[in-house]
Amino acid sequence: AQRVTQPEKLLSVFKGAPVELKCNYSYSGSPELFWYVQYSRQRLQLLLRHISRESIKGFTADLNKGETSFHLKKPFAQEEDSAMYYCALLLNDYKLSFGAGTTVTVRA
Amino acid sequence: DGGITQSPKYLFRKEGQNVTLSCEQNLNHDAMYWYRQDPGQGLRLIYYSQIVNDFQKGDIAEGYSVSREKKESFPLTVTSAQKNPTAFYLCASMTPWGNTEAFFGQGTRLTVV
Repeated sequence: AQRVTQPEKLLSVFKGAPVELKCNYSYSGSPELFWYVQYSRQRLQLLLRHISRESIKGFTADLNKGETSFHLKKPFAQEEDSAMYYCALLLNDYKLSFGAGTTVTVRA
Repeated sequence: DGGITQSPKYLFRKEGQNVTLSCEQNLNHDAMYWYRQDPGQGLRLIYYSQIVNDFQKGDIAEGYSVSREKKESFPLTVTSAQKNPTAFYLCASMTPWGNTEAFFGQGTRLTVV
């Protein structure tokens, strides 16, 4: 069965330090992967998708099919990056599954 | 204003009663989704619908039912068979090809007493 795993529930980093959020998936087909973010008192929203291969708010994520991973990285964390981050997997039948989420706290 | 709207924001029900949560979108999206968000468990998929008059069970469909009679609407009924219905429920919609970005409602917090 397809699955998205985010091993870290909580992540705390200092401002200016690098941050990496781990995401692993299990799916035998061709995956479409995303990172969504939920800031305090805001709706869940798309941060980036692997197809676009873009950098959003300084974040990047590379799909590694060999390791079935889609880790999210940012070289210099900012206080406004404090939020809940979800990795998501879209399957061919439009099923959109999310991981358990990682709460990131960036300390000054 | 385009968007996805869930109502009500807070809902209280007595144990044993069915309750229906509303989700409406005017984004012309074909696919719609219902999730349950519990602390430490992330977003768990209850039901999803790729198109009008069709829907599929997600990972935790037991005790829930849905309908998709209109493209804009995807109501979720929490039945008395759901053993632990108190939770935060999120609805989302998406065009599942091209720009595959899901848009979320603001959520409904259901409390069963």
